[in-house]
Amino acid sequence: AQRVTQPEKLLSVFKGAPVELKCNYSYSGSPELFWYVQYSRQRLQLLLRHISRESIKGFTADLNKGETSFHLKKPFAQEEDSAMYYCALRNNNDMRFGAGTRLTVKP
Amino acid sequence: DSGVTQTPKHLITATGQRVTLRCSPRSGDLSVYWYQQSLDQGLQFLIQYYNGEERAKGNILERFSAQQFPDLHSELNLSSLELGDSALYFCASSVSYGTDHYGYTFGSGTRLTVV
Repeated sequence: AQRVTQPEKLLSVFKGAPVELKCNYSYSGSPELFWYVQYSRQRLQLLLRHISRESIKGFTADLNKGETSFHLKKPFAQEEDSAMYYCALRNNNDMRFGAGTRLTVKP
Repeated sequence: DSGVTQTPKHLITATGQRVTLRCSPRSGDLSVYWYQQSLDQGLQFLIQYYNGEERAKGNILERFSAQQFPDLHSELNLSSLELGDSALYFCASSVSYGTDHYGYTFGSGTRLTVV
């Protein structure tokens, strides 16, 4: 069965520090992985897709099939990055989300 | 607004009652997904429809049902409500239902409070 694990419920860093939000998955096929972000009082929105290998708002995420991970990274965190981040795995009709990590970037 | 629209934004009702949540998908999207977000359970997939047909079912209770209409809007019906059903219910849409490599567009959610 597919499963997404985000081991950290809360993560706090200072502005300008590097940040890494962890995501591990279990899936027997070829996964499609995503990162979603939910800013305060806003709807969930797509941040990154692993298939596109893009950088959005300074964030990147690399799929590591050997470690079954899809960690989200940013070299220099900004206060506006404070939000809830969800890792998600999609298998055709089924998108499974992790429990989420609340990132707080302190000034 | 061509995004996903959910109504109502807030709903307060008593235990045992029945409510209907409505979702209009993004223009051009044929798939609609329903999720429940509660504090202790995170985002739980409930059900998916594609072009009027049910395509996938997740952790949806028998007291809950959904449908997608010919104009592609969807409704989630929750009946015999219990206190534990209090949560944020999200609707999302996508162009297709298969592996199109795109993510979902989410609505702003309906916050249901059962008292």
